[in-house]
Amino acid sequence: AQKVTQAQTEISVVEKEDVTLDCVYETRDTTYYLFWYKQPPSGELVFLIRRNSFDEQNEISGRYSWNFQKSTSSFNFTITASQVVDSAVYFCALWGWTNAGKSTFGDGTTLTVKP
Amino acid sequence: DGGITQSPKYLFRKEGQNVTLSCEQNLNHDAMYWYRQDPGQGLRLIYYSQIVNDFQKGDIAEGYSVSREKKESFPLTVTSAQKNPTAFYLCASSPPGTSGGTGELFFGEGSRLTVL
Repeated sequence: AQKVTQAQTEISVVEKEDVTLDCVYETRDTTYYLFWYKQPPSGELVFLIRRNSFDEQNEISGRYSWNFQKSTSSFNFTITASQVVDSAVYFCALWGWTNAGKSTFGDGTTLTVKP
Repeated sequence: DGGITQSPKYLFRKEGQNVTLSCEQNLNHDAMYWYRQDPGQGLRLIYYSQIVNDFQKGDIAEGYSVSREKKESFPLTVTSAQKNPTAFYLCASSPPGTSGGTGELFFGEGSRLTVL
């Protein structure tokens, strides 16, 4: 069975602060994919990043960065210099071959950025 | 613009009634999915389809039904057998070559169903 845990239910920061959203996963697969999605108040989930299990390089995209560590089964997401527009629910998701066709989502972290 | 269109955005239903949620995509994607989202919870998979005229049950299929007669369309029917249907429903698709789920999901804006 696979599982995704986002232990932080809600996070509140003040604008320009850095914030890290944690994601811990469990899977028996050696080949798997990890994802982050953003869900703004409008409701539509927006894809942010995909990482396969063989690529542990960290990635940076503007103010967003991701830290993938297989040793700790974690795929954390950091927003640098947060902005009010970053306020949303963020989901981490896992896809593994033994669960073909079905992604497993964490419960999400609600991020509120105050001006 | 290409994307996924869900309708209606808001829907109210009386107990005992069936209701059908529409999902249409013009992205030429093979795979389509239906998820349910409850407050404070993640997305749970109801049904998915990797090809026309074929679909599989997800984790919470009881009380729901789907059809996939056209590549572009994947409607979801919430039947009276679904005991707690009030929720936010999201339709998604994934790009060609990634129908196994390895590709990112493209989502519609969702349909919010309320049972009165």
